[in-house]
Amino acid sequence: GAGVSQSPSNKVTEKGKDVELRCDPISGHTALYWYRQSLGQGLEFLIYFQGNSAPDKSGLPSDRFSAERTGGSVSTLTIQRTQQEDSAVYLCASRGLAGVTDTQYFGPGTRLTVL
Amino acid sequence: KQEVTQIPAALSVPEGENLVLNCSFTDSAIYNLQWFRQDPGKGLTSLLLIQSSQREQTSGRLNASLDKSSGRSTLYIAASQPGDSATYLCAVFGGSNYKLTFGKGTLLTVNP
Repeated sequence: GAGVSQSPSNKVTEKGKDVELRCDPISGHTALYWYRQSLGQGLEFLIYFQGNSAPDKSGLPSDRFSAERTGGSVSTLTIQRTQQEDSAVYLCASRGLAGVTDTQYFGPGTRLTVL
Repeated sequence: KQEVTQIPAALSVPEGENLVLNCSFTDSAIYNLQWFRQDPGKGLTSLLLIQSSQREQTSGRLNASLDKSSGRSTLYIAASQPGDSATYLCAVFGGSNYKLTFGKGTLLTVNP
């Protein structure tokens, strides 16, 4: 079956522009996560969705970052007024159906470059 | 705040060697621990998941152990192959929230 997909795979933008990153989780997975992987920082949690609600947004680095999920499926991460420090690979994951202790399945990521 | 440390940061070995990657974490209140593999420019592939009640998991040439009380895990790779070259990430799940906390990884190079 299909895994987690993300689009675009690469995004180059100018400083100050807004960007939207999309994640399609595995069908039926109710839990969805966004992580960011930047040089020197490793992989960092951004936000967690259970269904359409986000009980944990503690990893969002500033109010320029927001995310939503609709229909319990697709999620969009939006970064407003992008800065060079936002350059990173943004990874999405959805969690398996065995519950909170099941594995997370990761998408291939979106590489964001802010010039 | 949970912190995960991986040692070594990089490792280069000749083909055929057995090797051990180490992971330590500061908060033992975890649900599980996972080892992932990441190839350059790719996403993460889950290798092994150990629940908090388990001591080890095995898959093929890979064996992962978990000592929750001491906050340690090891990933043992037997008879390494050049195709094993990748970054290996350790992550713990749980505590006061439902997120994965990652170490910074071990970059493994297996030389033919």
